[in-house]
Amino acid sequence: QLQLQESGPGLVKPSETLSLTCTVYGGSIRTTDYYWAWLRQPPGKGLEWIGSIYYSGSTYSNPSLESRVTISVDTSKNQFFLKLTSVTAADTAVYYCARQIVGTNGEWVDYWGQGALVNVSS
Amino acid sequence: QSVLTQPPSVSGAPGQRVTISCTGSTSNIGARYDVHWYQQLPGRAPKLLIYSNTNRPSGVPDRFSGSKSGTSASLVITGLQAEDEADYYCQSYDSSLSGSWVFGGGTKLTVL
Repeated sequence: QLQLQESGPGLVKPSETLSLTCTVYGGSIRTTDYYWAWLRQPPGKGLEWIGSIYYSGSTYSNPSLESRVTISVDTSKNQFFLKLTSVTAADTAVYYCARQIVGTNGEWVDYWGQGALVNVSS
Repeated sequence: QSVLTQPPSVSGAPGQRVTISCTGSTSNIGARYDVHWYQQLPGRAPKLLIYSNTNRPSGVPDRFSGSKSGTSASLVITGLQAEDEADYYCQSYDSSLSGSWVFGGGTKLTVL
């Protein structure tokens, strides 16, 4: 059974960089069948896609966050990573890592991590 | 404000049928991009409910069904159960502004 686990600091100061790790268990991240994604959900609000990565390192991200987002992968550790720079209180959210399927007419998530709450506060 | 529009809340009694709508535009649902639905139980991560408009992943009861027409999509839940009380989100892709996944704002389903 595939499992994804987010890890990282739960508190980040404004203007600093948010860094999260997603570890994949029960399956290899080095697969041609899937992409790997980051999404987030501010408290009491809806979902937002942050960006996605292929095992080769190819990435694409939400245009609204693109200038601040870096997503990378380490296939030897079965992990992928999120860095979000220059954070503000608006970046406070539960951050989810996920497995992504790319279909003919769209993309979606079929497995989600449990989520990690990150607070941006001084 | 979300790119896809969902009603903030719907409700129904056990055993009843409810429909949750998801309205988009010609740059997303109407551009033939598929719609996907997620269920989020209180305090939990979302779970895939319907993918590519009409398909149920293994393990999702056939009480849940999806459809799409024009610039809108719908999630129908029949034989409503107490355990269905959750938030439901639709998701698609939008080709405007360099392209991005887009979500609805979510619909809170209350089982009366």
